[in-house]
Amino acid sequence: DAGVIQSPRHEVTEMGQEVTLRCKPISGHDYLFWYRQTMMRGLELLIYFNNNVPIDDSGMPEDRFSAKMPNASFSTLKIQPSEPRDSAVYFCASSSGRQTEHFGEGSWLTVV
Amino acid sequence: KNEVEQSPQNLTAQEGEFITINCSYSVGISALHWLQQHPGGGIVSLFMLSSGKKKHGRLIATINIQEKHSSLHITASHPRDSAVYICAVRGGGSQGNLIFGKGTKLSVKP
Repeated sequence: DAGVIQSPRHEVTEMGQEVTLRCKPISGHDYLFWYRQTMMRGLELLIYFNNNVPIDDSGMPEDRFSAKMPNASFSTLKIQPSEPRDSAVYFCASSSGRQTEHFGEGSWLTVV
Repeated sequence: KNEVEQSPQNLTAQEGEFITINCSYSVGISALHWLQQHPGGGIVSLFMLSSGKKKHGRLIATINIQEKHSSLHITASHPRDSAVYICAVRGGGSQGNLIFGKGTKLSVKP
C-alpha cells in the first residue's frame, strides 16, 4: 500500500500565480480530506469528499480556493490567485468510512 | 475558547521518563484521535477511541466520556518519541468532522 500520495512536496510561487496541489488517496478509501496547517491556527479542515462528492466545504477560506475530485483516485486543490497568507502546509488524507484517516506527507506552499 | 484544548503546549523529558499529554474537549463527539507529527511534517494516526483505553507498544490512550477528557501516555520515553502530538475529536453524527487541538510538542533528551 503506497499510502496517500501528494504532489508537489514543496512549492514556492509568486503572489498572484495559480497553485495546484494534487492528491492520490489510498485505493478503496471513500473519504478524502484537504487540511491546511499553519503555526497560528494549527490544522484546519478545508473540504472533504465522500465518493467523489464534496460534502462540506465550509472550511474553504474564500473563492480563491477550489477543490475537485474527478474520480476515486485523484483530487486537486487549487488556489487562484495565490497570496502570501496562503503559505502553509496542505495535507490530504483519506479514510474508509469514518475510520482512521491516513495522511499524506503534505505539500509545503510558500507564496512570496 | 477552543473546542479542543491540549496541555502542556511544550514538554521536555529525559529518556526513560513516563509522559502524559492531556486533551479536553467541549463538544459531543463520536470518536477521539491521537495523531503524531514528526519534524518534516508527516502525520500518523496513533489511536482512535470512543471509550475506555487502548494500548500500542509503549503508548496508551485513555478517554473519559463523562469528563470529556483524554490522555496519551508514553512509557519509557525515547528520543525517537520526540514529535508533536495532536488530539482531534470527531463531532457527533455520521458527518462529524475532525476538530484539532493545537498540539503538544514533546522533546525527549538522551
